[in-house]
Amino acid sequence: QLVETGGGLIQPGGSLRLSCAASGFSVNSIYMSWVRQAPGKGLEWIAVMFSGGRTDYADSVKGRFTISRDNSKNTLYLQMSSLRAEDTALYFCATFPVGAYFDFWGQGTLVTVSS
Amino acid sequence: QSALTQPASVSGSPGQSITISCAGTSSDVGSYNLVSWYQQHPGKAPKLMIYEDNQRPSGVSNRFSGSKSGNTASLTISGLQAEDEAHYYCFSYAGGSTWVFGAGTKLTVL
Repeated sequence: QLVETGGGLIQPGGSLRLSCAASGFSVNSIYMSWVRQAPGKGLEWIAVMFSGGRTDYADSVKGRFTISRDNSKNTLYLQMSSLRAEDTALYFCATFPVGAYFDFWGQGTLVTVSS
Repeated sequence: QSALTQPASVSGSPGQSITISCAGTSSDVGSYNLVSWYQQHPGKAPKLMIYEDNQRPSGVSNRFSGSKSGNTASLTISGLQAEDEAHYYCFSYAGGSTWVFGAGTKLTVL
């Protein structure tokens, strides 16, 4: 099971950290990813953390977002900074076996960037 | 990282078959056997329907099938049912540790 928290209303230029608490498996045993969906729009892959700890990002968030994990809390994080209106979206975390497909998803947490 | 190209909408009557296409390039869809398909009902998280081009996860109806030819992948749903009405997204590895979704297709069951 995956449960995302941390979303909310944030002003442009602000920062926010999303959490994704996992149960039933270890977050460091599998690739994990963040995917977002702007209101009424499609899905966008934004970040991956490989089981070995390496990370990669979509160009749209590179340099502003950081994916990380805390193995002791079995939790994946997404630190978001320099937020823009276009970052407004529902943010999902998902398991991402060998970077091939997303097999389990959380319910999502909504981030709204607005003044 | 351009989105894969899908038709905005498709429709079919109950019992019919429909196919949703997902056009990519030789750098993504055409280079790897890593196309997956997701079904999303309103207000819900996406659900994996097909992975690695044509593999069906346990629990997914065999009415759903995937295929690929060159740079274009396809999702076929046979014996359409009312509950199949949803948005469908394709997804592919694009090389260089990047991945890309299709823009999504709204399936309407008439």
